[in-house]
Amino acid sequence: GAVVSQHPSWVICKSGTSVKIECRSLDFQATTMFWYRQFPKQSLMLMATSNEGSKATYEQGVEKDKFLINHASLTLSTLTVTSAHPEDSSFYICSAPSRDYYEQYFGPGTRLTVT
Amino acid sequence: AQSVTQLDSHVSVSEGTPVLLRCNYSSSYSPSLFWYVQHPNKGLQLLLKYTSAATLVKGINGFEAEFKKSETSFHLTKPSAHMSDAAEYFCVVRKVAGTALIFGKGTTLSVSS
Repeated sequence: GAVVSQHPSWVICKSGTSVKIECRSLDFQATTMFWYRQFPKQSLMLMATSNEGSKATYEQGVEKDKFLINHASLTLSTLTVTSAHPEDSSFYICSAPSRDYYEQYFGPGTRLTVT
Repeated sequence: AQSVTQLDSHVSVSEGTPVLLRCNYSSSYSPSLFWYVQHPNKGLQLLLKYTSAATLVKGINGFEAEFKKSETSFHLTKPSAHMSDAAEYFCVVRKVAGTALIFGKGTTLSVSS
């Protein structure tokens, strides 16, 4: 099956710094990728849709300037959390749709802790 | 607007007994529905999907779900629970516009021996 990887799997950063999370489709191309956020023991919330070669589409309430998304190639999307604060600590998960768009393949997630 | 409601936040069963995880959906259109499972420290795994074909959908690891339009339900079942089934389960609906997914709040399944 299709594989989506994320790097890093776990990152700790200091308040005020920025951190970049990578999402890669390993054996297929993805013109679209999705970024989700999951708080402890809670559900996944869609943050944004990443589009290769164009601007990302953000969900209502998600700060575009804080969560920068770049989809530079057909296999890579990045999420940069800028000027991170402790409340940004969360589990960030990306996904990419199958060719027929009926299924999504999820990455293993990145746990961000801001101290 | 589309949404899914998982009726139980936590379900506890004994090994070997049936599993029932309940999900109701809301959609103006014929929905695409999914069940995903999330084991601790692992990525989300697709259990099964409904995309307007057969109403009884068989998935992996012995799980099934039945789409009932009259009840707007898509409950997940398994005849006999195994210890390895203990995990977080999410009922999910695909957005009509685009391909993004809307997740339910999740049901934690505990299996005791």
